[in-house]
Amino acid sequence: SQKIEQNSEALNIQEGKTATLTCNYTNYSPAYLQWYRQDPGRGPVFLLLIRENEKEKRKERLKVTFDTTLKQSLFHITASQPADSATYLCALDMDSNYQLIWGAGTKLIIKP
Amino acid sequence: NAGVTQTPKFQVLKTGQSMTLQCAQDMNHNSMYWYRQDPGMGLRLIYYSASEGTTDKGEVPNGYNVSRLNKREFSLRLESAAPSQTSVYFCASSEDPTVNTEAFFGQGTRLTVV
Repeated sequence: SQKIEQNSEALNIQEGKTATLTCNYTNYSPAYLQWYRQDPGRGPVFLLLIRENEKEKRKERLKVTFDTTLKQSLFHITASQPADSATYLCALDMDSNYQLIWGAGTKLIIKP
Repeated sequence: NAGVTQTPKFQVLKTGQSMTLQCAQDMNHNSMYWYRQDPGMGLRLIYYSASEGTTDKGEVPNGYNVSRLNKREFSLRLESAAPSQTSVYFCASSEDPTVNTEAFFGQGTRLTVV
């Protein structure tokens, strides 16, 4: 069965440094991958989408890479700020295009 | 624009009781979804509606029913609540997932079944 792994342990980063989060998957070849941010008590909010034929995508301080050989996506936040503290979720598509497979998320804590 | 609105935000049920979670979106999206989120697990799809008039089972549909009332509204019903259904429920919508568009989520309903 499809499986997505994100670091279950919280990631503590000093303000101003680059935070890197990992999303690994097995037994699947997704057409695209999405990253979301979730704050406590709130629903996920879409950040970036990267397609299988794209190696890298950027949006302001955010960068996502997608390595279909390694079956891995990396999510980077440069010049991190305490306001970036949240849980970050990755999600992969399924063939039907109506169902996403979600990782459990990684909690990111940016310390001042 | 309110986006996706869910009601209620919190609910406590006794085992065997029934309830309906309401969801409405004002973005004219075709597709709507119901997910549950449990600690340490990814979001799991309960049911989805690809377009008005259609509904399909997701990964964990047992114990739930849905109704796509119109293009705006998609409700989730628990006929006989069980403690295993204690979870946070999210409704989401997207314009057209066949073109890989993003999903917009409501703020969630925290349900406890005792």
